[in-house]
Amino acid sequence: AQSVTQLGSHVSVSEGALVLLRCNYSSSVPPYLFWYVQYPNQGLQLLLKYTSAATLVKGINGFEAEFKKSETSFHLTKPSAHMSDAAEYFCAVSPFEAAGNKLTFGGGTRVLVKP
Amino acid sequence: GAVVSQHPSWVICKSGTSVKIECRSLDFQATTMFWYRQFPKQSLMLMATSNEGSKATYEQGVEKDKFLINHASLTLSTLTVTSAHPEDSSFYICSARDWDSNEQYFGPGTRLTVT
Repeated sequence: AQSVTQLGSHVSVSEGALVLLRCNYSSSVPPYLFWYVQYPNQGLQLLLKYTSAATLVKGINGFEAEFKKSETSFHLTKPSAHMSDAAEYFCAVSPFEAAGNKLTFGGGTRVLVKP
Repeated sequence: GAVVSQHPSWVICKSGTSVKIECRSLDFQATTMFWYRQFPKQSLMLMATSNEGSKATYEQGVEKDKFLINHASLTLSTLTVTSAHPEDSSFYICSARDWDSNEQYFGPGTRLTVT
């Protein structure tokens, strides 16, 4: 069985400040991990994914995430927040490499960016 | 890039009526489509997995007779909410797995309000 926990349902950051979104997972098999972003009333867009090739993964829009097996974590970061980063972010886990398989999502973290 | 569309984007219906939501992969073939439900300020919950030409697989707790899923072609899956009630009001999101890349792409969602 797999599960994902996102710490903090809401995060508020100032424009230009570091964005850090936390994700911890539980998995009985080697996990594949994903971060998605959802803008209001829209579907999900893939930001990045971890597939065991490299522990530090770079995604779109300046985001990156680091897989830490010892901490069972896959936290998402962006060095400098932009107003357009205001959205909901979901961490997800799958037992399969491609995102085309069944995903288990975390509860989501809503990011508010203050000018 | 791969695009998934949903129709309608929003719908209001009266209690007791049925509503059909369409999910289409516009530029790729999708042997598998997923249907998710998202309550306000909550995460996505997988309802069912739909494979082209076969019966859908429903997640535990999802009533298959209430949420009818049909995946008649490689580009179209439909979700019909039968005898809708106010508690069925939610945001329904579909996703489609690309036959070639095995990646999953999400539709923009359908907001259903049952009055």
